[in-house]
Amino acid sequence: GAVVSQHPSRVICKSGTSVKIECRSLDFQATTMFWYRQFPKKSLMLMATSNEGSKATYEQGVEKDKFLINHASLTLSTLTVTSAHPEDSSFYICSARGQGQSFSYEQYFGPGTRLTVT
Amino acid sequence: EDQVTQSPEALRLQEGESSSLNCSYTVSGLRGLFWYRQDPGKGPEFLFTLYSAGEEKEKERLKATLTKKESFLHITAPKPEDSATYLCAVQSGSARQLTFGSGTQLTVLP
Repeated sequence: GAVVSQHPSRVICKSGTSVKIECRSLDFQATTMFWYRQFPKKSLMLMATSNEGSKATYEQGVEKDKFLINHASLTLSTLTVTSAHPEDSSFYICSARGQGQSFSYEQYFGPGTRLTVT
Repeated sequence: EDQVTQSPEALRLQEGESSSLNCSYTVSGLRGLFWYRQDPGKGPEFLFTLYSAGEEKEKERLKATLTKKESFLHITAPKPEDSATYLCAVQSGSARQLTFGSGTQLTVLP
């Protein structure tokens, strides 16, 4: 149980284009989803938190117009990197926290998406 | 502000050589402390949640313990497949999200 998938696992795009990454909770309903960015040999950096049906909350320093997050259903959240540039190249990971787990705060992570902007 | 410090940054063990990883934390009202395992190029894999001091959890060769200031991840007779980065994170009562430590990169040599 508690499986989270991400698609695509790897994407290469040209500078100036937009890329959409999907995050799905496969066997549970996720009231809250989180998007992280991870640099090589570094820990996870939280970018934003999204609750189903409401606007995402972005961490300080994260451009909300560049990193568009949509959490349209209890099983799907998307991250769109708009007008991507080489400095946006990174490993993006989503996580999900389930509905009805009032005493459980575990986040389950997806396998990550490697974005390379050329 | 919640803070999590993991030590050591890197640890090399011989197969079968038991050891412990440390996670020291400062939070305002601990809701939970989490251990994850992350393999290169993969997302973190959930291992344990600990909620209160004195709690212990085990899974195969791993055992996690919790005090009011720190948590230990004990690895008994490790195998090469236990090689990974182990991440510790806390959830406090005032925060919406997890605060992660920088991780311990474990290498188990055959």
